[in-house]
Amino acid sequence: AQSVTQLGSHVSVSEGALVLLRCNYSSSVPPYLFWYVQYPNQGLQLLLKYTTGATLVKGINGFEAEFKKSETSFHLTKPSAHMSDAAEYFCAVTINTGTASKLTFGTGTRLQVTL
Amino acid sequence: DAGITQSPRHKVTETGTPVTLRCHQTENHRYMYWYRQDPGHGLRLIHYSYGVKDTDKGEVSDGYSVSRSKTEDFLLTLESATSSQTSVYFCAISGGQLSGNTIYFGEGSWLTVV
Repeated sequence: AQSVTQLGSHVSVSEGALVLLRCNYSSSVPPYLFWYVQYPNQGLQLLLKYTTGATLVKGINGFEAEFKKSETSFHLTKPSAHMSDAAEYFCAVTINTGTASKLTFGTGTRLQVTL
Repeated sequence: DAGITQSPRHKVTETGTPVTLRCHQTENHRYMYWYRQDPGHGLRLIHYSYGVKDTDKGEVSDGYSVSRSKTEDFLLTLESATSSQTSVYFCAISGGQLSGNTIYFGEGSWLTVV
């Protein structure tokens, strides 16, 4: 079975500062990894994903994440935070079974951006 | 946005009453899912479907049933609602490997059981 741990349920950064949201996963087989963002009272929007190939993945809104197998990590970063980045972020993992991909989610990290 | 419509978007119901949530997709994706979101738990899979009339349980399936009679519709039923089922319910769809195993989410249905 797969699992995800997101370190820090709340992260606060100043506008313009680096954003770093941490995600560690557990999987016995090569994982597929995802980051989703959720704005208040909305659904989840895909930010980026890693399946195979290049380990540095770029997503929407200037976010990127790096798959590090040796550290079982998939941390999300953005060089310069913007007020509009305030939201909840979820890391998720699945594996390729050839059938339905069932995502396992972390508990989420709420990002606050201050002036 | 992926073509996913959830209804109703908000509902208040009484304990013991049946409730059905509907998910409708226009993407012709094979796989459909129901998740619930609760504070401190992230999203947890209730049931999923891998084709018409083909469904299976997720990690929190007790008290829920599902049906899929058409590719585009996936229904979630709470046979007798309890207060512990107060939650936000998200439908999701995926084309499997055809869509890079990406799962797309609907806008959510807020259910309150009083």
